[in-house]
Amino acid sequence: EVQLVESGGGLVKPGGSLRLSCAASGFTFDTYGFNWVRQAPGKGLEWISFVSASNTYIYYADSVKGRFTISRDNTKKSVFLQMSSLRAEDTAIYLCARDPGRLEPSYFDHWGQGVLVTVSS
Amino acid sequence: DIQMTQSPSSLSASVGDRITITCQASQDIANYLNWYQQKPGKAPKLLIYDTYKLQTGVPSRFSGRGSGTEFTLTISSLQPEDIATYFCQHCDHLPPTFGQGTKVDFK
Repeated sequence: EVQLVESGGGLVKPGGSLRLSCAASGFTFDTYGFNWVRQAPGKGLEWISFVSASNTYIYYADSVKGRFTISRDNTKKSVFLQMSSLRAEDTAIYLCARDPGRLEPSYFDHWGQGVLVTVSS
Repeated sequence: DIQMTQSPSSLSASVGDRITITCQASQDIANYLNWYQQKPGKAPKLLIYDTYKLQTGVPSRFSGRGSGTEFTLTISSLQPEDIATYFCQHCDHLPPTFGQGTKVDFK
């Protein structure tokens, strides 16, 4: 069974940093890309970053470019999102989503349950 | 960025009804259109990808059509477990963007 489990969320002050993790199991990790998608409370979905299976292709939404860094560790079957210079508008549930796309985001065929990040003083 | 506009924003229907949700893209996205279902407090679930391809395990009452800028998701016979919010998403080019969602509930 495919499982994606996010961790690392919490309350952080504006300007602070946080590192999210997404632990995967139940499939061949290094043959899939991964995305981070966020959902502000009561709002819609916003794609924020993608990393390819080969770790060669990495992309970011303009809203987080220069502040967030996506990475993956195939030995640990995990994907990470390092978030810095956090703003109130980054408050959201952050979801990890698996992607069969090899070069760029395609469709998101499995999702984690998400982790809440709250940016507030 | 491509803007995805769904209509209606919400709809109420009865068990057994046929319902259709529309997703319009602000520019041509060929058939790079996906649909997701999200229930309250849960992660989204992929229903359909590449406009019409049914994800494994998704009931056949769900179907997708369209091309270019106009797409539809149809549930042929609404079931109680279909109460959810539905999102479309394009993956024609970066960045992928989502529609604002269509909330489906019972009359």
